[in-house]
Amino acid sequence: EPEVTQTPSHQVTQMGQEVILRCVPISNHLYFYWYRQILGQKVEFLVSFYNNEISEKSEIFDDQFSVERPDGSNFTLKIRSTKLEDSAMYFCASSEGRSNEKLFFGSGTQLSVL
Amino acid sequence: AQSVSQHNHHVILSEAASLELGCNYSYGGTVNLFWYVQYPGQHLQLLLKYFSGDPLVKGIKGFEAEFIKSKFSFNLRKPSVQWSDTAEYFCAVNARSKNTDKLIFGTGTRLQVFP
Repeated sequence: EPEVTQTPSHQVTQMGQEVILRCVPISNHLYFYWYRQILGQKVEFLVSFYNNEISEKSEIFDDQFSVERPDGSNFTLKIRSTKLEDSAMYFCASSEGRSNEKLFFGSGTQLSVL
Repeated sequence: AQSVSQHNHHVILSEAASLELGCNYSYGGTVNLFWYVQYPGQHLQLLLKYFSGDPLVKGIKGFEAEFIKSKFSFNLRKPSVQWSDTAEYFCAVNARSKNTDKLIFGTGTRLQVFP
């Protein structure tokens, strides 16, 4: 079965540093998403991306966050200046169509901000 | 605002016991409903989904869920659990009529099954 791949599996960074979380969606998928899960809390939607632009974003996704599909295969989430509260598991997801009917999640990147 | 409530935070069962995990959502329009499972150290996997039609949906690994519109509920059931069902279970809703494709998740239910 095709997979969404995320790297690294665990990222440790100092507060104020920039981090880039990488995802390789399934190759024929057109819709891309980032979600995050702070320890002990619910999985939260961050952003959706289609046709090389953000189609929807949550209140969490402020100016510190950006997404990019730099080369047609990778889908990245950048946090410009990390804060302690950015520590979370970040999940990438992709789907062929918009309906969530076949939405595939990656295994996540655990971001720890010290 | 849309929200999803999972009232059971931690459920402990013996093998062969029956399982029912509660899920309620708040949104008055048309919804798509999902249950995801996350096994230890693994990614979120879709167990089952409801988009339309028969409100009793069957998913993988013997799980099923029933959509009761009047109760805004989508409870997950399995008649006889196995040790391998130990995992975190997440209910999620997509407010289809709001022209959004984001999922709203519940806080999850941790299921532990003992042999």
